[in-house]
Amino acid sequence: AQSVTQLDSQVPVFEEAPVELRCNYSSSVSVYLFWYVQYPNQGLQLLLKYLSGSTLVKGINGFEAEFNKSQTSFHLRKPSVHISDTAEYFCAVTLSGGYQKVTFGTGTKLQVIP
Amino acid sequence: DVKVTQSSRYLVKRTGEKVFLECVQDMDHENMFWYRQDPGLGLRLIYFSYDVKMKEKGDIPEGYSVSREKKERFSLILESASTNQTSMYLCASSRGTSGRAAEQYFGPGTRLTVT
Repeated sequence: AQSVTQLDSQVPVFEEAPVELRCNYSSSVSVYLFWYVQYPNQGLQLLLKYLSGSTLVKGINGFEAEFNKSQTSFHLRKPSVHISDTAEYFCAVTLSGGYQKVTFGTGTKLQVIP
Repeated sequence: DVKVTQSSRYLVKRTGEKVFLECVQDMDHENMFWYRQDPGLGLRLIYFSYDVKMKEKGDIPEGYSVSREKKERFSLILESASTNQTSMYLCASSRGTSGRAAEQYFGPGTRLTVT
C-alpha cells in the first residue's frame, strides 16, 4: 500500500518570498501524484498533477512541483508567494493501473505574512 | 466545469439522531467518495462507490453507511450520531480510478457538529 508524508504541518513565509512545501511518498510501484489546495471554508481543488513524462509539473497560480523518483518526493514550490496563497495544501498519491485508492497526506498550512 | 454540491454547509445535530449528508455531481462521473477531515489527520476515506448501488468501505467506515441509488447522488448516513463524529465531511467524484481519470473533484464540505 502507498503512503504520503507531509512533514511540515505549518509553514509561515513572508509575502513575495519563495516557498517549498515538502511531500514524500512510499510505494514500490509506479505512482501518480497530486497537489490540492484548500482555501478557508472551501473544498479541495487540484493545483497540479504528475502522471508521466516531464518531472517538472506546472500548475495553477504559479505553483510547480518536481517529481523525484530516487528521493520519492514531489515537493511543491512557488518563487514568490502572495497573501492569497494562504491556504492548506495536500499532497496525494495513487498507484498506476487498475482500480487504486487515492491516499492523502495530512496537509501543510501555508501562512503568508504581509 | 465539474460541479459537486453538498446539501448543507453547516449542520448541528444531537447525539443519537440519524443524519443524512447528500452529495450530487453533474459530470456523469463513475466514482464518488466520502471523506472526513480533521485537524492534523488530513482526509480519511469513509466509503466510496464505483457504480450505482455499489459501495466499498474505506479506512474508517464504522458508524457510517452510504447509499447510491442514482449515478449522480451519493449519500452518507450516520445511523446514530455521536460527538466523535463532529467533523468536516467532504464529498468527491472522479471519472475513473487510474491516471488522469483519478483526479478527484470536491464539494465545498459540510461542517457537522454533534452535541
